Amino acid sequence: DAGVIQSPRHEVTEMGQEVTLRCKPISGHNSLFWYRQTMMRGLELLIYFNNNVPIDDSGMPEDRFSAKMPNASFSTLKIQPSEPRDSAVYFCASRVTGLGSPLHFGNGTRLTVT
Amino acid sequence: DQQVKQNSPSLSVQEGRISILNCDYTNSMFDYFLWYKKYPAEGPTFLISISSIKDKNEDGRFTVFLNKSAKHLSLHIVPSQPGDSAVYFCAASHESGTYKYIFGTGTRLKVLA
Repeated sequence: DAGVIQSPRHEVTEMGQEVTLRCKPISGHNSLFWYRQTMMRGLELLIYFNNNVPIDDSGMPEDRFSAKMPNASFSTLKIQPSEPRDSAVYFCASRVTGLGSPLHFGNGTRLTVT
Repeated sequence: DQQVKQNSPSLSVQEGRISILNCDYTNSMFDYFLWYKKYPAEGPTFLISISSIKDKNEDGRFTVFLNKSAKHLSLHIVPSQPGDSAVYFCAASHESGTYKYIFGTGTRLKVLA
């Protein structure tokens, strides 16, 4: 079974550049979440979608961050322009909405902005 | 506003002994709680969960306890093994409402051989 697939695994970019992170959720899952892992805040929820519709984006740090889910099998998280403080590991996770259904995570994208 | 808190950033335990990881939450609307385990360079993986209608759930060496009045949950690992060394995250969700998963900051467990 293919799990949640994220690309790229590593991204190094210069400050000011646009960065796009990609996620393919598990087939049949109808909820998708984007998290950012930092030492200070642990796994910080950025945004989540239910049936491809953004439900809560209150965790998106600034207008420089945007996320889309054009269909049930693909989502992107874009940072434009990127800044050094955006350096972190970004995780995508999916699940079937409903009690007793846990989140399944991808292996993350490690972003470094120089 | 950290709604889910893990106040111990790290814990060291001798192999064969019990590991106890703690988690506190502030939102009384949370009705589903989970523990995840994370190895370096991998995504978190689901370990065990508990619904708010229960106070204990057991799966092999892992047991999760929930104290709703104290808004506290704990994960017990008995006996601890070196392969259990990882970062453990607790998470909470409001399954009858927002379905939003909120995670704590994690506790790094080191099991010493």
